[in-house]
Amino acid sequence: DADVTQTPRNRITKTGKRIMLECSQTKGHDRMYWYRQDPGLGLRLIYYSFDVKDINKGEISDGYSVSRQAQAKFSLSLESAIPNQTALYFCATSEMGGKAFFGQGTRLTVV
Amino acid sequence: TQLLEQSPQFLSIQEGENLTVYCNSSSVFSSLQWYRQEPGEGPVLLVTVVTGGEVKKLKRLTFQFGDARKDSSLHITAAQPGDTGLYLCAPWGGSNYKLTFGKGTLLTVNP
Repeated sequence: DADVTQTPRNRITKTGKRIMLECSQTKGHDRMYWYRQDPGLGLRLIYYSFDVKDINKGEISDGYSVSRQAQAKFSLSLESAIPNQTALYFCATSEMGGKAFFGQGTRLTVV
Repeated sequence: TQLLEQSPQFLSIQEGENLTVYCNSSSVFSSLQWYRQEPGEGPVLLVTVVTGGEVKKLKRLTFQFGDARKDSSLHITAAQPGDTGLYLCAPWGGSNYKLTFGKGTLLTVNP
């Protein structure tokens, strides 16, 4: 089993729908992250969490929210999806020294 | 706000050629990580450099951390098609304890 698991792997949704992307990890790390990747723009940080009670906005948090349900689970929600949120989304965990482990990504298409 | 730049953004070379890609910042960091991302996959950690001036080798890949711990380079000797991918750097420490990435260098090695 993968250390960091994202579900779903692919999703097509309609404009205005609420959607949740889920992430779970077996690494035992406190730190978890959500990134968005668009061609030519690298990985942009949406939200990050250093423990269950600590949630922080990243570079591009507008239009997104997160929930840290447990140390192992970190979910990303799009409250009202719009087409420009079509992207590849990655969840990651990291050790205290920054070494990160990524999920395999969720490809989201908003039509 | 840290400024992190990777160059070049795109690089297309023939098998057997050598290449160097760069990661430069305006800030000093405790360490710096290099990741490689293959199409459709999450990034995977290649190496972490910690000490100013440090050089680490991973088979045909040579990583160097600048003396001032503000920049790094990745040199690939005799590139192979399997080296194709997006190379990302991620500084750690200083103002970046939230794990942000450069935009990456997209390397294509043609047979």
